[in-house]
Amino acid sequence: AQKITQTQPGMFVQEKEAVTLDCTYDTSDPSYGLFWYKQPSSGEMIFLIYQGSYDQQNATEGRYSLNFQKARKSANLVISASQLGDSAMYFCAQTDSWGKLQFGAGTQVVVTP
Amino acid sequence: DVKVTQSSRYLVKRTGEKVFLECVQDMDHENMFWYRQDPGLGLRLIYFSYDVKMKEKGDIPEGYSVSREKKERFSLILESASTNQTSMYLCASSLSPAEAFFGQGTRLTVV
Repeated sequence: AQKITQTQPGMFVQEKEAVTLDCTYDTSDPSYGLFWYKQPSSGEMIFLIYQGSYDQQNATEGRYSLNFQKARKSANLVISASQLGDSAMYFCAQTDSWGKLQFGAGTQVVVTP
Repeated sequence: DVKVTQSSRYLVKRTGEKVFLECVQDMDHENMFWYRQDPGLGLRLIYFSYDVKMKEKGDIPEGYSVSREKKERFSLILESASTNQTSMYLCASSLSPAEAFFGQGTRLTVV
């Protein structure tokens, strides 16, 4: 069974600084996908970045990068040059080979001026 | 653009009522999901469907059932609503292993 762990319930980060959000996962399935989603206070779920278990390189999307350490079963999200609009809840998620998608508990990020 | 539509944004039901939450997607996705979201607990998977008439239990299926008679529609059913089922319910669809697209959510209050 999949299990996603986000150990940081909340974080403060100063504008223009980088922030790392931790995520570990636990699966015996060799084929899986890892995702990060952002949920602002308005409630919609916004897809940020995806990493496949067989991808050799870490995924990047603009200011978002995923630090994928397969042996440690870790998929941390790095947000560079934080902006006030980055304040939101961030969820790590994983799919198995069937496509079953499960989420961690989330990390609340507050960006301060 | 992919669209996932949930039938209601807000719903208030009485304890013991049978409740139907409907979700429709327009992109021919095989996979559809129902989650509930509660503060501090993230999104917990209730049920998952990877094809018409196929369903799999998630982490918290107790008190819920689902129906997928057509590919585009995935219904969540609360057979006898209870106050501990008061929550935000989110539906999603995906073409695995790509990103999932979410509906706007249904905030259900059971009184």
